[in-house]
Amino acid sequence: KNEVEQSPQNLTAQEGEFITINCSYSVGISALHWLQQHPGGGIVSLFMLSSGKKKHGRLIATINIQEKHSSLHITASHPRDSAVYICAASTNRDDKIIFGKGTRLHILP
Amino acid sequence: NAGVTQTPKFQVLKTGQSMTLQCAQDMNHEYMSWYRQDPGMGLRLIHYSVGAGITDQGEVPNGYNVSRSTTEDFPLRLLSAAPSQTSVYFCASSTRTGFQPQHFGDGTRLSIL
Repeated sequence: KNEVEQSPQNLTAQEGEFITINCSYSVGISALHWLQQHPGGGIVSLFMLSSGKKKHGRLIATINIQEKHSSLHITASHPRDSAVYICAASTNRDDKIIFGKGTRLHILP
Repeated sequence: NAGVTQTPKFQVLKTGQSMTLQCAQDMNHEYMSWYRQDPGMGLRLIHYSVGAGITDQGEVPNGYNVSRSTTEDFPLRLLSAAPSQTSVYFCASSTRTGFQPQHFGDGTRLSIL
């Protein structure tokens, strides 16, 4: 079993819909990251959080430490949000980061 | 600032050839790492460094060497390329391990024939 699991693997939605991507992890963490990878391939860090909730524009990330679960929400989704969203856990046992396999999001106009 | 710069962006090699993937950052980050990204799999750590002169192995280090002679540069060497090393390679840096956002390069798409 992967130490960082994301769901769903693929998601197609209509423009304007509220999007939720889930991430569960089984390791002790110092921080949880959400990353975005556009079709061109570049990877950008969206959020890093260790508790509670963070918001940036239409993106919201939440984490529940007790349940070892994080969610990424996109409000009023837009075709430009189409990308792969990656959850990653900074473990508190060593210097490494463990990545989920990513969720491929496609927003239809 | 340029951030994290990777070169080349694309490369085709023949089995058995060697090459070096370059990675440079201008943010004075201590932590640098190399990942490979394969279809259906998450990013996997190849090697990492927590500072100049210090390197360590990640999850999939076999067939790769690294060195960190300066804070800025962290090259990845393929000693004898194999088709299994066909992948997209990303270099990343951050100020501290695990506590700061990772800054990624644009990636190198490598094909081994």
